[in-house]
Formats: sequence, structure tokens, C-alpha cells
Amino acid sequence: RKEVEQDPGPFNVPEGATVAFNCTYSNSASQSFFWYRQDCRKEPKLLMSVYSSGNEDGRFTAQLNRASQYISLLIRDSKLSDSATYLCVVNNAGNMLTFGGGTRLMVKP
Amino acid sequence: NAGVTQTPKFQVLKTGQSMTLQCAQDMNHEYMSWYRQDPGMGLRLIHYSVGAGITDQGEVPNGYNVSRSTTEDFPLRLLSAAPSQTSVYFCASSYSAGAHTEAFFGQGTRLTVV
Repeated sequence: RKEVEQDPGPFNVPEGATVAFNCTYSNSASQSFFWYRQDCRKEPKLLMSVYSSGNEDGRFTAQLNRASQYISLLIRDSKLSDSATYLCVVNNAGNMLTFGGGTRLMVKP
Repeated sequence: NAGVTQTPKFQVLKTGQSMTLQCAQDMNHEYMSWYRQDPGMGLRLIHYSVGAGITDQGEVPNGYNVSRSTTEDFPLRLLSAAPSQTSVYFCASSYSAGAHTEAFFGQGTRLTVV
């Protein structure tokens, strides 16, 4: 079993739609959680950290459920520019980042 | 504002050849790491360093060596290239090894071993 699992997608949604991704992690001692965005043939870039209380950044909302060991990312009012691969990332100790395989999102006009 | 710089961007090697992938950062970050990304598998940690003179193995270290003689540079050496090392390699750095520290990535090196 992979340590961090994501549905690879692709998720094909129309502009303006709301889309949600989930991610599960296996290490209950994991300390911190992130969503990174990766455009095609580019490097990953931090989208947002995920805090226990949940956090929002504009159209993006991240939630963490430690009891069930899953993380979610909600994107409201999808834009064409949101098309990318979203990587769920878990930090277990000392910045040892463990990446999920990524979920591909395609937003269509 | 260079950030993390990787060279080369593309490389083709023959089986058995050796080479060094270069990584440099100008943010005075203590923590640096190397990942490889294969289709559908996410990024996997090869080696990392928490400061000059200190390195350690990650999840997939076999066939790779690293050294950290300065804070800025963290080269990755392929000792004897194999087709299984065909991948995209990313170098990353962060200010510290703290739990919520953002990692900054270089643009990647696309390596093909034939």
C-alpha cells in the first residue's frame, strides 16, 4: 500500500464547477500536510498548507481529518488556469516529504 | 531571483556512463533534497541534506551519490547509469527541516538512459 494515495483522475470539469479531491495517508504520526500544484512538465509549487482546523485561500479550501487520515482540497468556481496535477504531500519527520501520485484536473470551457 | 537552479535540463546517457546533476540555491536554505518522478508514482526521495557536510539516504538511494560541501550546492551523481534511472529529477530546498516549511523546487532534469 502506498503511504499517500490519491485518485489519479483525470477529473474533467466545466468552467465554474466545484471539484473536490481526496487523499489518504497511512502514517498516523504524520506531522504536516500540503497540497502542491504541478503544471505539465514543470516543477511542483506549494498551493497551500493544510491545518487541522481547515483553511481557505480564495477559491481553495483544504481540510484535514486526522481520525480518518485523509486530506481534501476543494476548488470552487474552476478556471481554465486551474488545469494541472495536484499533489498531496505529507511530512512525517524532519521535512521528509512523501508525495502522492497526483490527481490530474482538466477544466474545459 | 534565481531560487533553485538545476543543470542540465535534458540529458541522454548510455548504459554504464556516469554523470553529475547539478543543483544550486541562492536562498541560504539549510535543507536540500533530490527526488525522482516517474509516471503515476509521484516524487520519491533519493537523498537529502540538512546542512553542509551532512547527507542521508531517502527512499530510493541505490545507484546515486551526493555530497554537500557548501550550503549552496547539492550535486547528484549517477555512478553507472541504467535504463531504470530514466526519470525526471527534481532538486528542492527549504529554509529548515521544520514541519510546515515550504519546499522550493528546481525546474527539473529530464534524463534518458539508453
